[in-house]
Amino acid sequence: DTEVTQTPKHLVMGMTNKKSLKCEQHMGHRAMYWYKQKAKKPPELMFVYSYEKLSINESVPSRFSPECPNSSLLNLHLHALQPEDSALYLCASSQDWDNLFYTQYFGPGTRLTVL
Amino acid sequence: AQTVTQSQPEMSVQEAETVTLSCTYDTSESDYYLFWYKQPPSRQMILVIRQEAYKQQNATENRFSVNFQKAAKSFSLKISDSQLGDAAMYFCAYRSARGGSEKLVFGKGTKLTVNP
Repeated sequence: DTEVTQTPKHLVMGMTNKKSLKCEQHMGHRAMYWYKQKAKKPPELMFVYSYEKLSINESVPSRFSPECPNSSLLNLHLHALQPEDSALYLCASSQDWDNLFYTQYFGPGTRLTVL
Repeated sequence: AQTVTQSQPEMSVQEAETVTLSCTYDTSESDYYLFWYKQPPSRQMILVIRQEAYKQQNATENRFSVNFQKAAKSFSLKISDSQLGDAAMYFCAYRSARGGSEKLVFGKGTKLTVNP
């Protein structure tokens, strides 16, 4: 079962709000990813976690704060966002960090609107 | 740095016919992996097919097959017997086989419309 779940499906928040996006997988994958996707554009990598440790931060503003509580869960904490942060946020997971051949499996995404 | 180019922003095909989506990439590496992902309007990104660069045989998954031309750095996707459910955005992606190279490099995508 190659399933990655994300909640919520939709989120509307003001610029002063604090909210969190959640991602979960039960495939035993040890690498998890956050992507941001604008309309009609490919996904842009934000963060990578490998074995519950942050491995990559693609120079993402600090108003986005990732967290990996355990190997199955990945959160993205949001605070003081800007309207331009409105996008589809995708979570993905893959089998292993150093595996030379892996496939990333994506969740359905959270559609975020910042007012 | 690697780049992936999808030169067809939009394509259309009649139901039951065959369509080919183009993808070219630029890399100086000899070992890498290539993927086609599909993203329907419901937005979940789904893996369609993948290819290991060291394999000469083209990958096939049911109605989906690729034409992998390593020397030409080309990786096209052929969809046979197109179905309405194939309508989606298709992204070609590249991943280096070099250890620690975890990033997927995506093309800009091709929007496929399937006409009944």
